[in-house]
Amino acid sequence: EPEVTQTPSHQVTQMGQEVILRCVPISNHLYFYWYRQILGQKVEFLVSFYNNEISEKSEIFDDQFSVERPDGSNFTLKIRSTKLEDSAMYFCASSEQWGEAFFGQGTRLTVV
Amino acid sequence: GEDVEQSLFLSVREGDSSVINCTYTDSSSTYLYWYKQEPGAGLQLLTYIFSNMDMKQDQRLTVLLNKKDKHLSLRIADTQTGDSAIYFCAEQMEYGNKLVFGAGTILRVKS
Repeated sequence: EPEVTQTPSHQVTQMGQEVILRCVPISNHLYFYWYRQILGQKVEFLVSFYNNEISEKSEIFDDQFSVERPDGSNFTLKIRSTKLEDSAMYFCASSEQWGEAFFGQGTRLTVV
Repeated sequence: GEDVEQSLFLSVREGDSSVINCTYTDSSSTYLYWYKQEPGAGLQLLTYIFSNMDMKQDQRLTVLLNKKDKHLSLRIADTQTGDSAIYFCAEQMEYGNKLVFGAGTILRVKS
């Protein structure tokens, strides 16, 4: 069964450092998303991406964040200068035009 | 605004039915979803219902939607210990496809 894969599963980084979280969406999907879940809190929408551009972003997705689809298969989330409050589980998801989003297993980001 | 509310905790005995409830505020949502999250794992799509339906059954799972009251429920028949997890309700916005999640309901199944 096709699935969304994310790497790494756990990333520890120092405050102020840049991190890149990687995702391989399901191959025939057109919409790509990043969500995050701070420990004990709700899963929050960050950004959606379609046709090689951001289609929607939340207030959380400020200038420190960027997304890219560098080739035909990967979808990345970059955090330029990490803060302690960026520590969270980051989920990548993908979907066809309409319908259910399939989520990856997540990357746990710990900023120290 | 967009908001999804769920009760925090549900405890049932193995073999009983579980009913997890969810309310949402945005009447323009297109699909409503139930995801399951086991400890340390990702979000597993369980089932979903289109907003013009009022019921969907999928094996042990039954989803009921009351669009007038903006109320969604997930019934798990013959609950097993393997069903212990956090269950998230989510609504999909009409524009842009993003999902708005509830805080999750912890389901504990006692053997």
